[in-house]
Amino acid sequence: GQNIDQPTEMTATEGAIVQINCTYQTSGFNGLFWYQQHAGEAPTFLSYNVLDGLEEKGRFSSFLSRSKGYSYLLLKELQMKDSASYLCAVSGDSWGKLQFGAGTQVVVTP
Amino acid sequence: GAVVSQHPSWVICKSGTSVKIECRSLDFQATTMFWYRQFPKQSLMLMATSNEGSKATYEQGVEKDKFLINHASLTLSTLTVTSAHPEDSSFYICSAKEPSGKTQYFGPGTRLLVL
Repeated sequence: GQNIDQPTEMTATEGAIVQINCTYQTSGFNGLFWYQQHAGEAPTFLSYNVLDGLEEKGRFSSFLSRSKGYSYLLLKELQMKDSASYLCAVSGDSWGKLQFGAGTQVVVTP
Repeated sequence: GAVVSQHPSWVICKSGTSVKIECRSLDFQATTMFWYRQFPKQSLMLMATSNEGSKATYEQGVEKDKFLINHASLTLSTLTVTSAHPEDSSFYICSAKEPSGKTQYFGPGTRLLVL
């Protein structure tokens, strides 16, 4: 079956680093996405990985290992505004259909 | 990133009425749009894939006669919740993808409350 797993919640202090892991088992693979979602709002795009390796974008980086079915999102220099749910999503076909994980709620404390 | 709008942002309606939600891609043409539903503290669940000029593809368990999707132009898709009931109360979010792109851009969502 299809499965995308990520931790439910993580807590970290302002200025720290947090790594959110995501493992997936899907019938097809056409890329992995990370989205940020604040409470009551729609998701906003953070990153896209389709090849193995690390993609860095400012304070956020995302890593992919296709052979291990594994990705992580790294948030550096945490700010209070980074408190949100982070969604790992896999595109399994060429149409772009996304299957989402349950999301990881990141709580940043002062 | 690309901009997607949704209207309305909030709907409160009586049980049995129909509600139409619009999703527009503002600065690009979207041959494919997606409709999701999200219940509180849960992740997004794909309801259907909407392709311009053709019938929508519904996910398993989603009633196509209850959730009518129309994608009449390259910038507009509509979702109509017919004969809404309280259990249809949810956060409905659309997304759009450029024909040559991989990334889905999400609209701001529509919160539906059926009394």
